[in-house]
Amino acid sequence: SQKIEQNSEALNIQEGKTATLTCNYTNYSPAYLQWYRQDPGRGPVFLLLIRENEKEKRKERLKVTFDTTLKQSLFHITASQPADSATYLCALARKNTGFQKLVFGTGTRLLVSP
Amino acid sequence: SAVISQKPSRDICQRGTSLTIQCQVDSQVTMMFWYRQQPGQSLTLIATANQGSEATYESGFVIDKFPISRPNLTFSTLTVSNMSPEDSSIYLCSVAEGRGGLTEAFFGQGTRLTVV
Repeated sequence: SQKIEQNSEALNIQEGKTATLTCNYTNYSPAYLQWYRQDPGRGPVFLLLIRENEKEKRKERLKVTFDTTLKQSLFHITASQPADSATYLCALARKNTGFQKLVFGTGTRLLVSP
Repeated sequence: SAVISQKPSRDICQRGTSLTIQCQVDSQVTMMFWYRQQPGQSLTLIATANQGSEATYESGFVIDKFPISRPNLTFSTLTVSNMSPEDSSIYLCSVAEGRGGLTEAFFGQGTRLTVV
């Protein structure tokens, strides 16, 4: 069966450290993968997109890697801040479907302590 | 980027009743999407709303339970019909903008529905 798995346990880290979140998928052939941030009571907000033929993408303190062999994406936040505390969702866009249809993981909650 | 206004932001409803959720976008979009996010769960796509045609429903969701309207390119409604406590969830409206075949999704703030 098709699955997108993110660590359901919250990740607690100290301010200034690098947070690393994992997204694993099975039985998908994604055209690309995205990461979103969701705060309580709000809708998800787009952060980064990485294509299947890209290994790494960066945006300010954010870095995403995509390994289609391992079927895994890693999401890094460097120099983390308490304001980075939120739930982070990965989402896949499947090939051979309408390109705008996304499938989301369950999300990992990140808590950054001062 | 699209700005999406969704209302109501929350509601508490009696079982057996229906609730209509409205979604307004600040630009014209071809497709609008309705998701459900149950507590501790991922976002699950309910249906895709196309202007001028019937909505396309995902497996496990049916039009009688979740009728959708799409009267124009900036507006859509989702109705949750004959509600039961199992329908308690956050309902999210979304649009997607494409650049070179890639999609970035934008979401409303969601409607938190509690059925009692």
